[in-house]
Amino acid sequence: DSGVTQTPKHLITATGQRVTLRCSPRSGDLSVYWYQQSLDQGLQFLIQYYNGEERAKGNILERFSAQQFPDLHSELNLSSLELGDSALYFCASSVGLGSVIETQYFGPGTRLLVL
Amino acid sequence: DQQVKQNSPSLSVQEGRISILNCDYTNSMFDYFLWYKKYPAEGPTFLISISSIKDKNEDGRFTVFLNKSAKHLSLHIVPSQPGDSAVYFCAASRTGYALNFGKGTSLLVTP
Repeated sequence: DSGVTQTPKHLITATGQRVTLRCSPRSGDLSVYWYQQSLDQGLQFLIQYYNGEERAKGNILERFSAQQFPDLHSELNLSSLELGDSALYFCASSVGLGSVIETQYFGPGTRLLVL
Repeated sequence: DQQVKQNSPSLSVQEGRISILNCDYTNSMFDYFLWYKKYPAEGPTFLISISSIKDKNEDGRFTVFLNKSAKHLSLHIVPSQPGDSAVYFCAASRTGYALNFGKGTSLLVTP
């Protein structure tokens, strides 16, 4: 158990809909990262938050947004969903700003299926 | 643009033998490399890392080798155990930037 929790575990929805994925980092960790793993892709970095502020942005679509709340949990909002958004979405956390030597601890993921 | 490549989607090894997982990268600015291990229905877990100033790092049965001139790294597991059966992701990073992951190699260790 990494200490990172993600809800829900599974989500089935229809195209055009909007969903919210939730992540609670390990106790004491200030950074939260979101990754997407599609069927034939590795883990693609989406976005990082550090202590409530956006820190780094990766291949995140404009239809997607995220935020980190004062209690440090984070939510990833996916809107106008398309079939291609079906994927595993992982959240990870680390203690600091995210230097290369910081270990990222991953949650179990949310499996999203868009029908 | 896949900057980290794991060209073998799967690998099967007998218990007790050596497992060698390979990874290539294209960005010469990467200065830190990591291996993560993933079991089904779980998130990836950190396994071992290496800085670009080193060419080898060892942790128990796991050793990572880095060949900067070839932009290649490998993970050696000796001896392999059935519990090592998992998907292994190679990742690379440069200071101030996010992790870049490969697509993973599924390792099966047979008794």
